[in-house]
Amino acid sequence: NAGVTQTPKFRVLKTGQSMTLLCAQDMNHEYMYWYRQDPGMGLRLIHYSVGEGTTAKGEVPDGYNVSRLKKQNFLLGLESAAPSQTSVYFCASSPDGDYGYTFGSGTRLTVV
Amino acid sequence: DQQVKQNSPSLSVQEGRISILNCDYTNSMFDYFLWYKKYPAEGPTFLISISSIKDKNEDGRFTVFLNKSAKHLSLHIVPSQPGDSAVYFCAASGRSTGNQFYFGTGTSLTVIP
Repeated sequence: NAGVTQTPKFRVLKTGQSMTLLCAQDMNHEYMYWYRQDPGMGLRLIHYSVGEGTTAKGEVPDGYNVSRLKKQNFLLGLESAAPSQTSVYFCASSPDGDYGYTFGSGTRLTVV
Repeated sequence: DQQVKQNSPSLSVQEGRISILNCDYTNSMFDYFLWYKKYPAEGPTFLISISSIKDKNEDGRFTVFLNKSAKHLSLHIVPSQPGDSAVYFCAASGRSTGNQFYFGTGTSLTVIP
């Protein structure tokens, strides 16, 4: 049972480089989310999607873009990485947004 | 501005004793609360929830208490086991937040055998 799968698990970027983080879920969930976790800050919502083809901004959206072209996939893009984007990124999904989320195992991103 | 706060970064408890993890929130419109457990190198996993119409919810060794007037919730683990050692996050949401969950900063629990 895969649940929520994040790719890659680790990545080191140079300042100014771009990359895309992939989140895939096999539970037919409508809602998907991208969070970042930083020391002393907890989990903060970057962007989310309430269904295929939809996206919305969360608490800390600046510097990121997302796309939900297929229901099972939610992509998080960094167009020009900055050291402030060094973080652990978690993807999550939920059937209807009202109940507990299923999280992926995270992507540790370092921007140097 | 942190809407959900966990003021204790860490907690150590002897095996078999009670662990109490606390969480405070500032938004009185929050009406649904969750606790997640997180092991290193893994994503958070859902543990237990409570809605604002209740003041207590129990699931095995885990009980969550909600005090709406104090804007405070707590997670009790009885008896604590070494496998409970993890980081615990509380999260809150409400219609005013578009049902988005706001997470606390986490409390690292260590259960000493």
